[in-house]
Amino acid sequence: GNSVTQMEGPVTLSEEAFLTINCTYTATGYPSLFWYVQYPGEGLQLLLKATKADDKGSNKGFEATYRKETTSFHLEKGSVQVSDSAVYFCALSDSPYTGTASKLTFGTGTRLQVTL
Amino acid sequence: DVKVTQSSRYLVKRTGEKVFLECVQDMDHENMFWYRQDPGLGLRLIYFSYDVKMKEKGDIPEGYSVSREKKERFSLILESASTNQTSMYLCAIKPLSVSYNEQFFGPGTRLTVL
Repeated sequence: GNSVTQMEGPVTLSEEAFLTINCTYTATGYPSLFWYVQYPGEGLQLLLKATKADDKGSNKGFEATYRKETTSFHLEKGSVQVSDSAVYFCALSDSPYTGTASKLTFGTGTRLQVTL
Repeated sequence: DVKVTQSSRYLVKRTGEKVFLECVQDMDHENMFWYRQDPGLGLRLIYFSYDVKMKEKGDIPEGYSVSREKKERFSLILESASTNQTSMYLCAIKPLSVSYNEQFFGPGTRLTVL
């Protein structure tokens, strides 16, 4: 079956540091890949996505590249801010197109804490 | 904007009680999902529905049931709550109009079973 493995947290960084959160996956076919973010006290919201190999998703200074050869989708940001403190979830969908109810498979989440 | 509302942010119940968690959307979206979120386990799918009165089991349906009598409302039911059902419950929808499998989440209900 499908699975997503992401690095355990918490990750603690100083403001303006470089961020990498690793994510690898196992899936058949050509999944779509996502990063979701959960800010304190809120539900999840989509941060970025990539739907085919070598695609780069980007949003709010975050980037991730879909690497089929290494089955990875690592999240990066060049300079983190205190406001980036949140839990980050890597996820995959096993169908690149919308079926009647395509499911998402989530990783366990990585908590990021950014300090001044 | 897609809006997903959950009936309660915090809920405290006793073992053996019947518990209803409600999720309401403001548009005619077909696909709705219930997840539970636990530290170290991420999000796990309990049930989902792709239309009125239609439902399918997710990865961890045991101890739960669902109801979808109207398109805008998807209810998660704990028939007899147990302490191991203490968790954060998240509802999500996936509009057919949105490309790829992007889901929109409600704020969550933190349920404590004593």
